[in-house]
Amino acid sequence: DQQVKQNSPSLSVQEGRISILNCDYTNSMFDYFLWYKKYPAEGPTFLISISSIKDKNEDGRFTVFLNKSAKHLSLHIVPSQPGDSAVYFCAASASGGKLIFGQGTELSVKP
Amino acid sequence: GAGVSQTPSNKVTEKGKYVELRCDPISGHTALYWYRQSLGQGPEFLIYFQGTGAADDSGLPNDRFFAVRPEGSVSTLKIQRTERGDSAVYLCASSPVGGGEEAFFGQGTRLTVV
Repeated sequence: DQQVKQNSPSLSVQEGRISILNCDYTNSMFDYFLWYKKYPAEGPTFLISISSIKDKNEDGRFTVFLNKSAKHLSLHIVPSQPGDSAVYFCAASASGGKLIFGQGTELSVKP
Repeated sequence: GAGVSQTPSNKVTEKGKYVELRCDPISGHTALYWYRQSLGQGPEFLIYFQGTGAADDSGLPNDRFFAVRPEGSVSTLKIQRTERGDSAVYLCASSPVGGGEEAFFGQGTRLTVV
């Protein structure tokens, strides 16, 4: 039972354009959502988060949007840079504790 | 150290052997998590400590897996009678309080069972 799903295994965008990574979830008890970025041979690095009481959170080039009625969140990166190329994981938690991760989306930003 | 440290970074063991994986969390972080990541998948939750006690061990796949955190700092994940299916990257993370806020991950231990 995959509670957090990232249906696109990979995404390729041109440098300077917008990258949009999507994530769907099934558990309505999730109240906190996070995005992590992972380079090869390294652990995941926290990128940005959003509480379920909000619908948008912005940090520099990164914005996360939450649509609770659709149980969907997305990460927007604009403008995309080659250094953004990595695997991005969506994660969710319910009242603290463990994070449930999606399968990841590999982003490739081409110069 | 400044970040979460995991040792060893790589471990190759024979099927049936016992292994221990170590995690040094960020100093002062009360919450500590173990995850397992297989190729092409996201991290899969194993166990979560709040201080010295296991607050949630629902992700441990079977009784061959056990983890301890005796002094509320360093944690050890122990795997008995290893199987080839245990091969994965084992990730440790810590967070200040454990209330679902962002967790900081180590670089992982790549376990290969041959």
